[in-house]
Amino acid sequence: EPEVTQTPSHQVTQMGQEVILRCVPISNHLYFYWYRQILGQKVEFLVSFYNNEISEKSEIFDDQFSVERPDGSNFTLKIRSTKLEDSAMYFCASSKTADSYEQYFGPGTRLTVT
Amino acid sequence: GQNIDQPTEMTATEGAIVQINCTYQTSGFNGLFWYQQHAGEAPTFLSYNVLDGLEEKGRFSSFLSRSKGYSYLLLKELQMKDSASYLCAVRDPGAGSYQLTFGKGTKLSVIP
Repeated sequence: EPEVTQTPSHQVTQMGQEVILRCVPISNHLYFYWYRQILGQKVEFLVSFYNNEISEKSEIFDDQFSVERPDGSNFTLKIRSTKLEDSAMYFCASSKTADSYEQYFGPGTRLTVT
Repeated sequence: GQNIDQPTEMTATEGAIVQINCTYQTSGFNGLFWYQQHAGEAPTFLSYNVLDGLEEKGRFSSFLSRSKGYSYLLLKELQMKDSASYLCAVRDPGAGSYQLTFGKGTKLSVIP
């Protein structure tokens, strides 16, 4: 069964450093998402992406964040200058269409900012 | 604003039935979702309701009442592997067509 993959599974970085989290969505999906989950808290929407541009973004997704689809398979989330409060699990998800009833989540990248 | 409420924790016995409730207040509504999340893992899709009524899928059923802003997830014949967090999520066109807004999740512990 096709699945969303994410790398790395765990990333440790120092405050102020740039990180890039990578995702490979399911191949025939057209909509891509990033969510984050701070330890012990709820899953929060960050951004959605379609047709090579951002469709929606939340208040969390400020100028420090950016997304890109550099080739036909990868979907990346960049945090330019990490802060301690960026420490969280970051989930990539994809869906076939915007109103698909199912978004498929990847296994997540645990980002630890020290 | 949006508000999605569900109990923080529940405990149930193996083989029993448990009902996890979710209430929501959103400016719009375009579907309610239930996801299962084991500790340290990704959420996995369980069910979707957009019309009132009960959707059954094996041991799992989900119910929706749009007029009451209420849903529940029913798990039958509980197994130890059902110990997980259960996340209620709503798609609210007022917040954005694509995104899911999640509740804080209900941590279910299944005991022998």
